[in-house]
Amino acid sequence: SQQGEEDPQALSIQEGENATMNCSYKTSINNLQWYRQNSGRGLVHLILIRSNEREKHSGRLRVTLDTSKKSSSLLITASRAADTASYFCATDTAGANNLFFGTGTRLTVIP
Amino acid sequence: NAGVMQNPRHLVRRRGQEARLRCSPMKGHSHVYWYRQLPEEGLKFMVYLQKENIIDESGMPKERFSAEFPKEGPSILRIQQVVRGDSAAYFCASSSFPSISETQYFGPGTRLLVL
Repeated sequence: SQQGEEDPQALSIQEGENATMNCSYKTSINNLQWYRQNSGRGLVHLILIRSNEREKHSGRLRVTLDTSKKSSSLLITASRAADTASYFCATDTAGANNLFFGTGTRLTVIP
Repeated sequence: NAGVMQNPRHLVRRRGQEARLRCSPMKGHSHVYWYRQLPEEGLKFMVYLQKENIIDESGMPKERFSAEFPKEGPSILRIQQVVRGDSAAYFCASSSFPSISETQYFGPGTRLLVL
């Protein structure tokens, strides 16, 4: 199965701290995306990183991709209470029509 | 530009009834994907449709589940004779290009509860 795994499963930090979440996957990918899901809500796209990219930034988000280790990390700097949500990585592979989602990291930012 | 719309947002059905979930993609998008999310889990792909065509239904259970995306109107995910195990959140996503390497935009989901 291509399904990714996020690590840790749950993370609790104080507001202002940085949060790092990791994602590992099993087969070669075209791209990797990170999504956020607030409790009981839909998914919000955060960032897409292509397989030939190693790092990407968007505001307080920094994503890295290491294709040799088949892993990615999402760093949220200067976290806020509003960042509390579940974060999922999703990969796509050549020839596939769908995204493969990981199991998610549940982030809690304590005010 | 309205985002992806799904309705109903919540649906309660008794075992054996039918559930119909609707998804209207973003304006200009002709590619629709349905995913299912069980509690505390990630999303699992079910089916990928373009207008009037099912492109990939490899993630869809062989029985009781069907999907369509007619020329006019929303995409429909239909679950016949629902069972308790069908209780989940069902999300649709749309994109403007056939390649999933472009961003998929997700709807708010339909939460199905089977009693």
